[in-house]
Amino acid sequence: ETGVTQTPRHLVMGMTNKKSLKCEQHLGHNAMYWYKQSAKKPLELMFVYNFKEQTENNSVPSRFSPECPNSSHLFLHLHTLQPEDSALYLCASSQAGTGVAEAFFGQGTRLTVV
Amino acid sequence: GENVEQHPSTLSVQEGDSAVIKCTYSDSASNYFPWYKQELGKGPQLIIDIRSNVGEKKDQRIAVTLNKTAKHFSLHITETQPEDSAVYFCAASSGRDDKIIFGKGTRLHILP
Repeated sequence: ETGVTQTPRHLVMGMTNKKSLKCEQHLGHNAMYWYKQSAKKPLELMFVYNFKEQTENNSVPSRFSPECPNSSHLFLHLHTLQPEDSALYLCASSQAGTGVAEAFFGQGTRLTVV
Repeated sequence: GENVEQHPSTLSVQEGDSAVIKCTYSDSASNYFPWYKQELGKGPQLIIDIRSNVGEKKDQRIAVTLNKTAKHFSLHITETQPEDSAVYFCAASSGRDDKIIFGKGTRLHILP
């Protein structure tokens, strides 16, 4: 256990569906991240939340919508996805502002878009 | 922004031999370099890290070296064992924004 929990572990959704991924950290960290890991481009940083404020959006399409209601929870809302969005979505947390950005990862959600 | 290159993408070594994975980075402001190991079905886990004020760090069979001038760092695993088989990622981060930029990973196979 890394202290970062992601649900669900697996998700299959159609291109017209709306679903959400959930991440919860029990480490008292103040920064949370979404990464996309696929065979073609492993570990792409998607979003960064620092003290609940979004500080990074790496040109992610609007069909991915993050939400960070507090420093312990992070969501990724999905709608009208494409098959190429199938990937492993990883959440991570860290203690920002220390200069030592050790990130703790969850086990990921394996997303398949059909 | 930062760019991290990692080589090789795949590495096979005989059990008991050493494995070396190399990375380069582009941002001279980067000062923290973690290495992660990802096993099948799991998220990446930190195995060792090094800061820019240190040239080498060792933890049992794992060591990391850093050359700031050349902007490259390496992971060395000695006396490899079957459980070392995994994907390894290098990463770089600066103190400015705490973003961690990863290399593309190296799939390490330990051959019996």
